Amino acid sequence: AQKITQTQPGMFVQEKEAVTLDCTYDTSDQSYGLFWYKQPSSGEMIFLIYQGSYDEQNATEGRYSLNFQKARKSANLVISASQLGDSAMYFCAMSPIKAAGNKLTFGGGTRVLVKP
Amino acid sequence: GAVVSQHPSRVICKSGTSVKIECRSLDFQATTMFWYRQFPKQSLMLMATSNEGSKATYEQGVEKDKFLINHASLTLSTLTVTSAHPEDSSFYICSARDRSRGRVHGYTFGSGTRLTVV
Repeated sequence: AQKITQTQPGMFVQEKEAVTLDCTYDTSDQSYGLFWYKQPSSGEMIFLIYQGSYDEQNATEGRYSLNFQKARKSANLVISASQLGDSAMYFCAMSPIKAAGNKLTFGGGTRVLVKP
Repeated sequence: GAVVSQHPSRVICKSGTSVKIECRSLDFQATTMFWYRQFPKQSLMLMATSNEGSKATYEQGVEKDKFLINHASLTLSTLTVTSAHPEDSSFYICSARDRSRGRVHGYTFGSGTRLTVV
């Protein structure tokens, strides 16, 4: 079984500053993928960034970077230079890397509000 | 990129009636479809996984007779909420798996359906 924990239910961040969203996970799988999604108030799920369990380098995608610490089982998301449009719910998720299944398990989410 | 069209986006129905939600993959073949339920300010909870042409696999605690899932083709999956009650009011969202796009970008989400049962 897989479990994702996001301990920050909500955060305020000043525009143009960086923010770190915490994510810890637990799994018995040796190979797995970690994802971050953004969900604005409209409800759509927007893919942000991915980290494979065997990737040696931390993933980066524009203003998003993933601080992956495998031994600690953490995959924190860093958003740099926050923008007002970054205000949304953010979900950490994981899936096993298998031939079948691959269902995504989500954490509880963190609501981010960017202040001007 | 891959697109999943989910309809309706909002639906209000009377208690006791059934509601069907459709998810269509517009430009790829969705061999696997995931259905999630999301209560306000909460996370996405997986309800079931369906593979084209076979019966859906439901998560523990999800009533399969109440939430009927059909994945009859590689581009269409439906979720029918039967005999809906107010406690079924929620946000339902589908996710289609496109294996050809790999594990990173292979999950495409629909835009969700907000169901209100009155």
